[in-house]
Amino acid sequence: AQTVTQSQPEMSVQEAETVTLSCTYDTSESDYYLFWYKQPPSRQMILVIRQEAYKQQNATENRFSVNFQKAAKSFSLKISDSQLGDAAMYFCACKTSGSRLTFGEGTQLTVNP
Amino acid sequence: GAGVSQSPSNKVTEKGKDVELRCDPISGHTALYWYRQSLGQGLEFLIYFQGNSAPDKSGLPSDRFSAERTGGSVSTLTIQRTQQEDSAVYLCASSRSGLGANVLTFGAGSRLTVL
Repeated sequence: AQTVTQSQPEMSVQEAETVTLSCTYDTSESDYYLFWYKQPPSRQMILVIRQEAYKQQNATENRFSVNFQKAAKSFSLKISDSQLGDAAMYFCACKTSGSRLTFGEGTQLTVNP
Repeated sequence: GAGVSQSPSNKVTEKGKDVELRCDPISGHTALYWYRQSLGQGLEFLIYFQGNSAPDKSGLPSDRFSAERTGGSVSTLTIQRTQQEDSAVYLCASSRSGLGANVLTFGAGSRLTVL
């Protein structure tokens, strides 16, 4: 089984600035996948970015990038040029093949105009 | 379908009544997951289906909760004798097999309110 911890219940950022959300995880498996999901007030879970553990290169999706530190079991999300539409609850998650997706507690991101 | 469809979107029921929540996964997705999200909380795993079988149902909180999946497609989550603490959003997700098997696509959820 895996565990995921998000130590920042709330974060805020000014529009156009950069913010980093933290996440640590633990798993005994060598092959696993890491994700960041976004949940706006509509409650629809939206995949933001994913990282395969076997890949050393950090994943990037437009303004979203991750800092994957495998030895430290850390998986932070960086949002650049923050926009008002980025305001949401962000969940970090970990999954191994054939198992459940395990979520962290979430970080509520506020974007100030 | 194009996305994961859940119904009803909202359900209000009285304590003690039974409720059924439905999930229609993306066509061709073999895996299906149910999660529960209480107000302001994270996602609590309930059960996972691979095809019609449930390799992991360890998250079901009590024997009042059950789920089934037929034809490798639609799934129904049933809550018997509902209690107020069952009030939550119930989220369903599905994923394909093979490449992309670990990427879950979520539905919009069913909000259950037990009075």
